[in-house]
Amino acid sequence: QSALTQPASVSGSPGQSITISCAGTSSDVGGYNYVSWYQQHPGKAPKLMIYGVSNRPSGVSTRFSGSKSGNTASLTISGLQAEDEADYYCSSYTASITWVFGGGTRLTVL
Amino acid sequence: QVQLQESGPGQVKPSQTLSLTCTVSGGSISNVGYYWSWIRQHPGKGLEWIAFIYYSGSTYYNPSLKSRLSTSVDTSKNHFSLRLTSVTAADTAVYYCARAPIVGAIMYYFDSWGQGTLVTVSS
Repeated sequence: QSALTQPASVSGSPGQSITISCAGTSSDVGGYNYVSWYQQHPGKAPKLMIYGVSNRPSGVSTRFSGSKSGNTASLTISGLQAEDEADYYCSSYTASITWVFGGGTRLTVL
Repeated sequence: QVQLQESGPGQVKPSQTLSLTCTVSGGSISNVGYYWSWIRQHPGKGLEWIAFIYYSGSTYYNPSLKSRLSTSVDTSKNHFSLRLTSVTAADTAVYYCARAPIVGAIMYYFDSWGQGTLVTVSS
């Protein structure tokens, strides 16, 4: 199984919006609405931010939103804050009944 | 609020077996609404799904690890375990346990994670 494709890094200034892409295939991202996103600060465990493409768990800021078009999912963070600086990972269920993660994106808040 | 805690040796010799346990507190591992999972992260790298385990024993394994992998659940101790045989340096990673809700017969996200435990394969 191949990892989903994410940009290695993105950056933005406080208050701006950024979008992180997660490219897959019709056998994973494109085939199911089973994409989730995780935030990971250095030395910490990942934290669920989005599930089912666009659903936010209770307690996650409304500044985080998810979407999907074709085989590519996206995570958008609006009103960037310093605390958003972290690594972000997407994940998807696959047609092979496996689960795959993206390679991760390092978000830098300038 | 459920909490998960990994435990096990921090160092394993090459060709030996890596064994980890995840203890669940604040909730029952026998809850029919959840699968339990192992995920690892190689140093400085991304996440890799390893396995799903249900309290009844049902499992899903990463095909790339399946031949070396076994898992178990002990409902009396509210914990589940991972065994990975014939380890090499490539198995050096932080190992996380996590909980995955079952939604429409599919588990597709991990809503609670342990803090992770670093396992180094070295002689």
